Amino acid sequence: EAQVTQNPRYLITVTGKKLTVTCSQNMNHEYMSWYRQDPGLGLRQIYYSMNVEVTDKGDVPEGYKVSRKEKRNFPLILESPSPNQTSLYFCASSSQAPPTGDNYGYTFGSGTRLTVV
Amino acid sequence: SQQGEEDPQALSIQEGENATMNCSYKTSINNLQWYRQNSGRGLVHLILIRSNEREKHSGRLRVTLDTSKKSSSLLITASRAADTASYFCATDRGDYKLSFGAGTTVTVRA
Repeated sequence: EAQVTQNPRYLITVTGKKLTVTCSQNMNHEYMSWYRQDPGLGLRQIYYSMNVEVTDKGDVPEGYKVSRKEKRNFPLILESPSPNQTSLYFCASSSQAPPTGDNYGYTFGSGTRLTVV
Repeated sequence: SQQGEEDPQALSIQEGENATMNCSYKTSINNLQWYRQNSGRGLVHLILIRSNEREKHSGRLRVTLDTSKKSSSLLITASRAADTASYFCATDRGDYKLSFGAGTTVTVRA
């Protein structure tokens, strides 16, 4: 089954304790992205990756890191989590259509609900 | 920054009625997409309309796009209880960033 898998689904952690949220897709998609969703704000893009070893900042990258060493994986790293990073996080992937980069629509993971106390 | 903004924020309709929601955006786009999210779950891609298209259908969904007004609408016909969800528009500006609005929450009453 084509899917994007995120882990964990739920996480409660303490301020300052480094954590990683994993994301893996099995569709051979070039494009992957991380979003956070907060009430009243919709989804805001944190980072995205156009292909292996190519990543770039989205609209709210502060406090986050990503890496794309393999095509299928795109982990989100919080080096020193703070309470304002309490949120619902989604990973998504898409195939890209050259030459415009027009995508065919995202496949989303089920989400990771993170609470930082 | 949010590119798309949905209107209304919330919508309550009777089963069998049509639901219409609108999306306005600020800059030129490659395509515009609509997604559905059931409570707390991941978003599901519904339909994509390209900037050179004006209308598109998929099952009970009808999407229109007016690039001169920078707006789109999503119509769900003959609504069902299972259509209860939040609906988001997302704009692809061709800069590898897909921008989402805050969503419209639709409640379908039995």
